[in-house]
Amino acid sequence: DQQVKQNSPSLSVQEGRISILNCDYTNSMFDYFLWYKKYPAEGPTFLISISSIKDKNEDGRFTVFLNKSAKHLSLHIVPSQPGDSAVYFCAAGFQGAQKLVFGQGTRLTINP
Amino acid sequence: DTAVSQTPKYLVTQMGNDKSIKCEQNLGHDTMYWYKQDSKKFLKIMFSYNNKELIINETVPNRFSPKSPDKAHLNLHINSLELGDSAVYFCASSQRHTSSGANVLTFGAGSRLTVL
Repeated sequence: DQQVKQNSPSLSVQEGRISILNCDYTNSMFDYFLWYKKYPAEGPTFLISISSIKDKNEDGRFTVFLNKSAKHLSLHIVPSQPGDSAVYFCAAGFQGAQKLVFGQGTRLTINP
Repeated sequence: DTAVSQTPKYLVTQMGNDKSIKCEQNLGHDTMYWYKQDSKKFLKIMFSYNNKELIINETVPNRFSPKSPDKAHLNLHINSLELGDSAVYFCASSQRHTSSGANVLTFGAGSRLTVL
């Protein structure tokens, strides 16, 4: 019973183009969502978050879009760079609770 | 001066043995966690401690016993290891993100446990 799912295990994008990573969730009560980036042999590192009352949050090359009616969020990376090659996890949580629910990750490869 | 450090990074052991993984954070966070990344790559919470007090225990077998001697340390002891315990275990600590209110976790590099 996975409440957060990333249905694409991998994605390959050319350097300079836009990378779009997708995430679906089932619990409409989530209060916020986060994206994490993970390099091999390292722990996930926080990238960007969005509150459930917003539909967009931007930080430099990274933008997260939230579509609550579709229970879907996406992470856009523009322009994609070789250093963006990593596994990206989306996660969701509730205000006042410590627990985060993670998806299974999407491996992004940026090709030169 | 790693923010969240866990040791050992790799652990290979026989079924039935007892092993421990240690975790320390120097971020001054009050809350620490153990997450398990299973074979399907999902990161699932096991335990959460707030200021040395257990607040989340996600139906983890009793063979897993976390211990928090102080708020900067959270160790994980596993008794009678089973094949299914093979996974990557991540320690983390957290603080609230001001703009979204999100609980932002800072993770250690992970400890890969292989049970033979």
